[in-house]
Amino acid sequence: GENVEQHPSTLSVQEGDSAVIKCTYSDSASNYFPWYKQELGKRPQLIIDIRSNVGEKKDQRIAVTLNKTAKHFSLHITETQPEDSAVYFCAAGGTNTGNQFYFGTGTSLTVIP
Amino acid sequence: KAGVTQTPRYLIKTRGQQVTLSCSPISGHRSVSWYQQTPGQGLQFLFEYFSETQRNKGNFPGRFSGRQFSNSRSEMNVSTLELGDSALYLCASSLVGAATSVYEQYFGPGTRLTVT
Repeated sequence: GENVEQHPSTLSVQEGDSAVIKCTYSDSASNYFPWYKQELGKRPQLIIDIRSNVGEKKDQRIAVTLNKTAKHFSLHITETQPEDSAVYFCAAGGTNTGNQFYFGTGTSLTVIP
Repeated sequence: KAGVTQTPRYLIKTRGQQVTLSCSPISGHRSVSWYQQTPGQGLQFLFEYFSETQRNKGNFPGRFSGRQFSNSRSEMNVSTLELGDSALYLCASSLVGAATSVYEQYFGPGTRLTVT
């Protein structure tokens, strides 16, 4: 089955700096890669996603890149703000067998004011 | 539209008992997936239901089962509870399933299960 690794597990940045979280996956059949943000005590919220036919996608301060050959994808957050502090999860899946997703173990991001 | 809802939100059970959790997807969503979230293991895929059929299953023992009704609402059942089953159980719904370009999953608030 799919195996998703996520790094780093914790990340502290100064407000205004950029944050980068990286994930690798093992199953070349995976074709959909979402990122979720989970604040303490709340449900995971989809913040951005990318499909296998796209190399990069941007939404305001958030961007995701995908390298299918190397089987890795990354989340980039620019101009970080204290409200960006949360746990971020990457996931891989969406093969032709349906919505079976495998998640990374999460990155706890702290933005220091 | 209303979001994904789950009931109950909190549950305390004793080892050996069984439990049933419920998930109501976003209206129009036909795919429902279940995940177990623990501090040590993160989010782990349990199973996915689509059109009342289990389409995918993760690596969990047979004590974990589920079903989906014709209105797309889903339940999951855990029999013979163990201490290690204590976790947050999340369900997520999706508009459509495979063979399309839409896979976005939206999560419910979860059911916090504590086994004592």
